[in-house]
Amino acid sequence: DSGVTQTPKHLITATGQRVTLRCSPRSGDLSVYWYQQSLDQGLQFLIHYYNGEERAKGNILERFSAQQFPDLHSELNLSSLELGDSALYFCASSVGGAGTNTEAFFGQGTRLTVV
Amino acid sequence: TQLLEQSPQFLSIQEGENLTVYCNSSSVFSSLQWYRQEPGEGPVLLVTVVTGGEVKKLKRLTFQFGDARKDSSLHITAAQPGDTGLYLCAGVPSGAGSYQLTFGKGTKLSVIP
Repeated sequence: DSGVTQTPKHLITATGQRVTLRCSPRSGDLSVYWYQQSLDQGLQFLIHYYNGEERAKGNILERFSAQQFPDLHSELNLSSLELGDSALYFCASSVGGAGTNTEAFFGQGTRLTVV
Repeated sequence: TQLLEQSPQFLSIQEGENLTVYCNSSSVFSSLQWYRQEPGEGPVLLVTVVTGGEVKKLKRLTFQFGDARKDSSLHITAAQPGDTGLYLCAGVPSGAGSYQLTFGKGTKLSVIP
């Protein structure tokens, strides 16, 4: 158990809908990272928050947004869903910001299926 | 273009064989991590290498960081079926403002009993 909790584990929804994925980082970790993993693209970095502030954005679509709350949990919002958004979404956390010796701890992921 | 290139993409070997997988980049990294991911699970951190030329051992796994800190390798001795999984390298490129923890696409290892 990594200490990172993601909910829900599975999500099936229709195209055009909006969903929210939730992540609770390890106790004491200030950074939260979101990744999308598909078979052909591997783990794609979406966004990084550190202590409530956005630190880096990767290949995140405009239809997607995220935030980190004062209690450090984070939510990833996916809207106007398309079939191609079906993937595993992982949250990871680390003690500090991404930099030297960043070691990330991953949750078990949310499997999103868009039908 | 992938910042971290891993090779080979797929590897299928017999139990007891040795193998090496590689993680290469044209960028310098302050450190690199190796993770293993099993189906349906999140990646699990195996090791972090920090110093150029550093070698770290974890039981039958040996990790090396290149002298120029642009590449790394993972060597497994006498592979076991339990070593089966997706091996990922990850790092943050050196330089101001780099906050993206970037992953390679991974090497999918299958060890056949």
